[in-house]
Amino acid sequence: QVQLQESGPGLVRPSGTLSLTCAVSGGSISSHNWWSFVRQPPGKGLEWIGEIYHSGITNYSPSLKSRVTISVDKSKNQFSMKLSSVTAADTAVYYCARASTAHTSSWLDYWGQGTLVTVSS
Amino acid sequence: QSVLTQPPSASGTPGQRVTISCSGSSSNIGSNTVNWYQQLPGTAPKLLIYSNDQRPSGVPDRFSGSKSGTSASLAISGLQSEDEADYYCAAWDDSLNGYYVFGTGTKVTVL
Repeated sequence: QVQLQESGPGLVRPSGTLSLTCAVSGGSISSHNWWSFVRQPPGKGLEWIGEIYHSGITNYSPSLKSRVTISVDKSKNQFSMKLSSVTAADTAVYYCARASTAHTSSWLDYWGQGTLVTVSS
Repeated sequence: QSVLTQPPSASGTPGQRVTISCSGSSSNIGSNTVNWYQQLPGTAPKLLIYSNDQRPSGVPDRFSGSKSGTSASLAISGLQSEDEADYYCAAWDDSLNGYYVFGTGTKVTVL
C-alpha cells in the first residue's frame, strides 16, 4: 500500500519561500507514475499545483508556474516543492498525491494527509 | 479559478438518488477523461471515479460516473449518511501546455 507524507514548516513569512517535501513509502518513486502537489485554502476548493515524473519532467499550473518548482530525489524516495514570493493567499492545506495513468487518462489515486501552511508575519 | 463548474450544493434523504453535474469545455472534458473525488470533513480527498466511469477497488457501486460531450455527472444511488461530503470533478485541460483542473466542488447533504 503506497503511503505519502508531507513535511515542512507550518508558518512562512510573506515574500518568503514555502518548501514542502513528500516522502513516499510502500512503493518506488521511480515507478510509472507522476507525483503531484495539490492545495486547498481554508474553506475553499482544490487547486492543482503541479507534478513531476522520476526523470525530472514537470508540469505546472499556469497560474503558479512562475513561482513554483517541483523536484525529485530518487535516493530518498521523495519529491519536493518550492513556492516563492508567498502571500496570505498561499495559506492552504497542501497535499501530495500519486497520479496513475492509462492510455490518455490520469487520476490521483493515493494522497497524503495534508499539511497546513500559514503565510503570516 | 476553476474552469469546471459544479453546483455548490446538493441534498437528498437516505435512500434517494443524487446527481452532481460538472460542466467544462472542449479543451478539458471534451478531450479528456473525468475523475471524481470525495472529501469527507477534515480529511484528504479520496479517488471515487476515474476514467469517466471506473470505480477503484473498495468504492461501492452506489457511485457511478458518466460523461457526454463537455459535461460529466456523478450519481449517488441509495444515499447514505456517510456520503455527506464534498465532491470534486477533475480533468486534464489541454490548453496552456496542459494542466490538471478541479471542479468548483459540490457539498452533498443528507437530510
